Amino acid sequence: QLQLQESGPGLVKPSETLSLTCTVSGGSINNFYWNWIRQPPGKGLEWIGYIFYSGSTNYNPSLKSRVAISVDRSKNQFSLKLTSVTAADTAVYYCARHITVTDPLDYWGQGTLVTVSS
Amino acid sequence: AVQLTQSPSSLPASVGDRVTITCRASQGISTALAWFQQIPGKPPKLLIFDASTLESGVPSRFSGSGSGTDFTLTISSLQPEDFATYFCQQFNNYPYTFGPGTKVDI
Repeated sequence: QLQLQESGPGLVKPSETLSLTCTVSGGSINNFYWNWIRQPPGKGLEWIGYIFYSGSTNYNPSLKSRVAISVDRSKNQFSLKLTSVTAADTAVYYCARHITVTDPLDYWGQGTLVTVSS
Repeated sequence: AVQLTQSPSSLPASVGDRVTITCRASQGISTALAWFQQIPGKPPKLLIFDASTLESGVPSRFSGSGSGTDFTLTISSLQPEDFATYFCQQFNNYPYTFGPGTKVDI
């Protein structure tokens, strides 16, 4: 059974960089698309972007200037960096998979809360 | 970006009720729509994709329909474990977008 697990600091200071990693277990990272999605407390979901296992990326234009997603196939992991964070970036961050560009997000991690505060 | 609206935003219901939630897209998205269920503190769970295809393992009381701009999620007979928030999501255009959610509660 495929499992995804987010990890990283739960507290980040304003203006600093948020860094998270998603570890994929129970299957290979190869041949799929790997996404980051976030959900501010009590609010809806926002797609951040994806990386294909080969390294090509696609980002939400609303965050594109601050986002970078990378993949480490040797570790079966992919990562998110979000720069210059503010309180508005406080959210539960999820990683998720989709198989092809015409498929839905089928496997999700449990999510990790990141709070931006000094 | 494709905007998704959902109605209602909140839906009081009882066990055994037939429940219908609608999702409307700001432009045509063919059938590239998914429905998710989210219980507080848990990640979204995929229920339906391609507007009407039931994900493996999801009970048959859930069904979806629609194409273009108007979609519906129906729960034929609400069960206690179905009290949750439901989101639609389009994957026809980037950026992927989600509806604001419909909370089904007692």
